[in-house]
Amino acid sequence: DAMVIQNPRYQVTQFGKPVTLSCSQTLNHNVMYWYQQKSSQAPKLLFHYYDKDFNNEADTPDNFQSRRPNTSFCFLDIRSPGLGDAAMYLCATSDRGYEQYFGPGTRLTVT
Amino acid sequence: AQSVTQLDSQVPVFEEAPVELRCNYSSSVSVYLFWYVQYPNQGLQLLLKYLSGSTLVKGINGFEAEFNKSQTSFHLRKPSVHISDTAEYFCALLDLRSGGYNKLIFGAGTRLAVHP
Repeated sequence: DAMVIQNPRYQVTQFGKPVTLSCSQTLNHNVMYWYQQKSSQAPKLLFHYYDKDFNNEADTPDNFQSRRPNTSFCFLDIRSPGLGDAAMYLCATSDRGYEQYFGPGTRLTVT
Repeated sequence: AQSVTQLDSQVPVFEEAPVELRCNYSSSVSVYLFWYVQYPNQGLQLLLKYLSGSTLVKGINGFEAEFNKSQTSFHLRKPSVHISDTAEYFCALLDLRSGGYNKLIFGAGTRLAVHP
């Protein structure tokens, strides 16, 4: 089945140690999104790619970066994770349409 | 500015009872609305969507929602809930952007707890 895949599902990192989360899709969608979702909160959009064009939300910290080497893959890099970055990170895709398709998420723990 | 308000943070209900999760929106442009469900430690799954046409929208798992333009509401309903419906539910409004991508504006979520 076509889908959005996130790896790993659970990630533990140390305070200040760079970490990369991965998202891949078999939907061949143009747009890929990264969301941060803290406990008991709604998802918050960090940034998105439209094809190779990167678009940052105004309030996304510089500590968060992203790469999209090809249509299928997108990575979220956290350069120096702090305790406040512990959250569920959700990847989503859309095909310039109205619906976004979400992956299962990666739960990040910072120790 | 566009916004979404989910009026209840938590809704407890007994199994097989009906439930309504309330959602109000604010938008000055065309409205596209969604309900997503999130089970613990999972991503978001689309329940249903309103893009245009019939104001009564049917979704998966027996859920339906009614778009009411005059009351700016998009309430989610299910006539008889199951234990397995226990989850977080998010109402979302689509913010159409130029350049081909669309941003979802989420409500704060409603935790539905179904008790036996």
